[in-house]
Amino acid sequence: SQQGEEDPQALSIQEGENATMNCSYKTSINNLQWYRQNSGRGLVHLILIRSNEREKHSGRLRVTLDTSKKSSSLLITASRAADTASYFCATDGGSTLGRLYFGRGTQLTVWP
Amino acid sequence: ETGVTQSPTHLIKTRGQQVTLRCSSQSGHNTVSWYQQALGQGPQFIFQYYREEENGRGNFPPRFSGLQFPNYSSELNVNALELDDSALYLCASSFRGENTDTQYFGPGTRLTVL
Repeated sequence: SQQGEEDPQALSIQEGENATMNCSYKTSINNLQWYRQNSGRGLVHLILIRSNEREKHSGRLRVTLDTSKKSSSLLITASRAADTASYFCATDGGSTLGRLYFGRGTQLTVWP
Repeated sequence: ETGVTQSPTHLIKTRGQQVTLRCSSQSGHNTVSWYQQALGQGPQFIFQYYREEENGRGNFPPRFSGLQFPNYSSELNVNALELDDSALYLCASSFRGENTDTQYFGPGTRLTVL
């Protein structure tokens, strides 16, 4: 399978703590993206990192990419209860056609 | 909000029936992809439409079909519904150009097959 696989499957933390989620994949990629999903609704795009980038920041989000290990991590700093959601990584499988391959996601719960 | 809309929000059908789901792309986008997300799983690619033609298909049977219209809106049709078709169906629009990467998802249609 070309899917990304997120780890852990579930993560429970207190507000103010940092949350780290990891993603591993199997094929070469052009880019890797992270999405967020609230309560089984639509996916919200968080950040895209290209294969020639190692780290990217967006607000409280920090994404790293290690193509030699075929892995990525998403760090959410100073978590808030509103960050409670499922987080998915998605890869393009090395294609430019736009098909995305998703893992099963990490369910993040942030307690007030 | 992404500007991608889907209808209906929820739908209940029985086995053997047919269903049509609709998606309006974000303004300026020319590509639509459809995904199926079963409970507890990540989205699975069904197919993609670009310039009104199917442009890539995942591991789904022919009873899953689609259309893209000149205004880049799209339909997903599923014939002979099966219980396992119960899922959240997501459409995503993007612009095929220099950077085709980011796909913007709609809120989804929750289909229940009884």
